Amino acid sequence: DAMVIQNPRYQVTQFGKPVTLSCSQTLNHNVMYWYQQKSSQAPKLLFHYYDKDFNNEADTPDNFQSRRPNTSFCFLDIRSPGLGDAAMYLCATSRVGFVGIDEQYFGPGTRLTVT
Amino acid sequence: KNEVEQSPQNLTAQEGEFITINCSYSVGISALHWLQQHPGGGIVSLFMLSSGKKKHGRLIATINIQEKHSSLHITASHPRDSAVYICAVRKSGGSNYKLTFGKGTLLTVNP
Repeated sequence: DAMVIQNPRYQVTQFGKPVTLSCSQTLNHNVMYWYQQKSSQAPKLLFHYYDKDFNNEADTPDNFQSRRPNTSFCFLDIRSPGLGDAAMYLCATSRVGFVGIDEQYFGPGTRLTVT
Repeated sequence: KNEVEQSPQNLTAQEGEFITINCSYSVGISALHWLQQHPGGGIVSLFMLSSGKKKHGRLIATINIQEKHSSLHITASHPRDSAVYICAVRKSGGSNYKLTFGKGTLLTVNP
């Protein structure tokens, strides 16, 4: 059973046309992450939510925004995609509890193409 | 210098061989993760370690906290093991929910 689900798996958008990527989880984890991964590179953390608290990485462009309306869902909004934003976008979750932080569970990713 | 270094960067093996991928880190950590990513695919978490050794099927992961070193072993390798293996650490201290990633090791297992 899928635990971290990302939709769509493939997304094509036009230069400058806003796009939203979706992530949902059935694990009831309190932390959700969005990563950007370009070809042959390590994933780069864009931001994460701890419950409703939003934590932006210092070098994440303003073009990238996120929403977490409830525990299960998290969205990545790219306001004006550029050609350089073409990448795989990975969502991940983890649980922070009294004994520390559990491992991260990753979704299958959404591959974004910008034309 | 990267805080997480993996070796080798690329590894080619014949089916059935025993494989070792190494990870060294230069920071204090609370946990180390081994992740697997097939070409064009998402990431699967294989292990999370804070000490000792873990085994799952043909995969074994070990960590030596004093030496700041971890190894991932694959016994009786198979072509379906071909993937990028990524070492990632969670730094100790503070409310650190982030992972610091190595650059990955591309493993190709030939039949």
